[in-house]
Amino acid sequence: GDSVTQMEGPVTLSEEAFLTINCTYTATGYPPLFWYVQYPGEGLQLLLKATKADDKGSNKGFEATYRKETTSFHLEKGSVQVSDSAVYFCALSRDDKIIFGKGTRLHILP
Amino acid sequence: GAVVSQHPSRVICKSGTSVKIECRSLDFQATTMFWYRQFPKQSLMLMATSNEGSKATYEQGVEKDKFLINHASLTLSTLTVTSAHPEDSSFYICSAYTLGQGIYFGEGSWLTVV
Repeated sequence: GDSVTQMEGPVTLSEEAFLTINCTYTATGYPPLFWYVQYPGEGLQLLLKATKADDKGSNKGFEATYRKETTSFHLEKGSVQVSDSAVYFCALSRDDKIIFGKGTRLHILP
Repeated sequence: GAVVSQHPSRVICKSGTSVKIECRSLDFQATTMFWYRQFPKQSLMLMATSNEGSKATYEQGVEKDKFLINHASLTLSTLTVTSAHPEDSSFYICSAYTLGQGIYFGEGSWLTVV
């Protein structure tokens, strides 16, 4: 069945460092892919999405490109901030259901 | 954006008792609500899908008699963990969906059974 695998955390970076959180998926066809973020004490929020292969999703300085050749959807940001500290979930959707990765906790040090 | 409120955010209960978690869509009517559970260092796992006014559809391996889901209105779904045991301690999160609105998640609820 469909599944999502993302790098385990926690990931700790200094402010202004470059961020990459790896995500790969296993699925039939090319389902929409998502990155969700959960800030401390808040609910999951959609960060960005790509609905088809080769699309790039972007939001708040984060980017991810839907790469069918490598079945990947890595999350990147050029310069992280302390406020980016959160848990990030990679996910795909099948019909109206969402399949999540395990989540990656990100700590940004000032 | 749309808001989904989940309550309580943290609850501690004694083994053998039941605990109810509420999920409310505050500014839209959700035709479908989902309940997820996350074990430590594991993925968010879909437990069940509930549609307003009908019985919930449970994922394989989820005990429907233990995890009672009620979706009494278009803005409220409840998850009741019956006869809770320490192994039920987990993070539970709901989401609400309606066509044209997408899917929005609650804040999640930490359940600890002692």
